[in-house]
Amino acid sequence: DVKVTQSSRYLVKRTGEKVFLECVQDMDHENMFWYRQDPGLGLRLIYFSYDVKMKEKGDIPEGYSVSREKKERFSLILESASTNQTSMYLCASSFAGRSNQPQHFGDGTRLSIL
Amino acid sequence: QQPVQSPQAVILREGEDAVINCSSSKALYSVHWYRQKHGEAPVFLMILLKGGEQKGHDKISASFNEKKQQSSLYLTASQLSYSGTYFCGTDPGGFGNEKLTFGTGTRLTIIP
Repeated sequence: DVKVTQSSRYLVKRTGEKVFLECVQDMDHENMFWYRQDPGLGLRLIYFSYDVKMKEKGDIPEGYSVSREKKERFSLILESASTNQTSMYLCASSFAGRSNQPQHFGDGTRLSIL
Repeated sequence: QQPVQSPQAVILREGEDAVINCSSSKALYSVHWYRQKHGEAPVFLMILLKGGEQKGHDKISASFNEKKQQSSLYLTASQLSYSGTYFCGTDPGGFGNEKLTFGTGTRLTIIP
């Protein structure tokens, strides 16, 4: 079974802090994704990566950056956390294909910025 | 732009059928369907590729009409375990990066 592990289930930080969310997958997937999930807005893509050190902006990248130094690990960074970044963050991974590969999700990190 | 899902929420009794629709303003190459139970990760259900095919397993099936830029998910004789929020994810290009745009979700509640 594919396992996507997010480092924290719950996290509380203060405004202005630099926040790191970590995600690790064990299936040698080429693609990795970061989403945020807010009530009524569904899943919105922040960033994705299709290879080590490669990244592309998603639909809502402002205020975030990412790092992928190893194939199995994809980090989301909040450079200076703000209260409007309080949300559920989901990481996912998939094989590369032609739009025919499912994404596998982690359990999520519920982040609160005070 | 996010695909539009309808209905936003629906409550059914066990054994009843449900249809969830997903419409896009863009031409689509594929549609993915996921289910998320409360407090859990979204789980993959199925992928439909351009070609109008219908797929299904057990009592859950889906269709994809690329001309109409829409997909529908059919849940037959619903069970309590079908409760959750269903998301469609759409890909306009099939470029190989598996990047999806998800809808806002349909919350399905099955009651005994």
